[in-house]
Amino acid sequence: GAGVSQSPSNKVTEKGKDVELRCDPISGHTALYWYRQSLGQGLEFLIYFQGNSAPDKSGLPSDRFSAERTGGSVSTLTIQRTQQEDSAVYLCASSLNWVYEQYFGPGTRLTVT
Amino acid sequence: AQRVTQPEKLLSVFKGAPVELKCNYSYSGSPELFWYVQYSRQRLQLLLRHISRESIKGFTADLNKGETSFHLKKPFAQEEDSAMYYCALSDHQGAQKLVFGQGTRLTINP
Repeated sequence: GAGVSQSPSNKVTEKGKDVELRCDPISGHTALYWYRQSLGQGLEFLIYFQGNSAPDKSGLPSDRFSAERTGGSVSTLTIQRTQQEDSAVYLCASSLNWVYEQYFGPGTRLTVT
Repeated sequence: AQRVTQPEKLLSVFKGAPVELKCNYSYSGSPELFWYVQYSRQRLQLLLRHISRESIKGFTADLNKGETSFHLKKPFAQEEDSAMYYCALSDHQGAQKLVFGQGTRLTINP
């Protein structure tokens, strides 16, 4: 079946602009995670959604970052007033629920100029 | 704080030779440990997790709580094992928020 998909695959934006990154999880997966992979920090957890529960935002680096998950499916990660240090690959993963294996998407490469 | 350390950024071995990718962690509780792999131009994927006690593609990893290590081993490396390997842990407390190491790029030479 279809895996996790993310769009766009690449995004170049100017410093100060807002960006939205999209994640389509595997159908039926209740858990959804966002991670960031950057040169300086490696792979780091950002935010976690489980069903209808309030999201775990403990990994978000600043209040410029936010995410939502509509209808328990698609998720959007929004970065406001982008900075150069936001340049990274943003990965989304989903799992049947929090106990099970996470399946990763291909990532969105964000470049802030 | 939770931390995962992979001391080798790069590891190069010959085909048929044994491979060991090192992973050490710091965590006060009982974490769950994972190895993830990313082959060239492919997605990050789970290789194995310690609770499964499985051997995947000939790889094994044993959790050593005394040494806080979870080294990945394979007795005979194959060229298709060339990839980026990440060790990760989760506190497994209602979520699987993974803490990753910096990764080791493994190259298998023919």
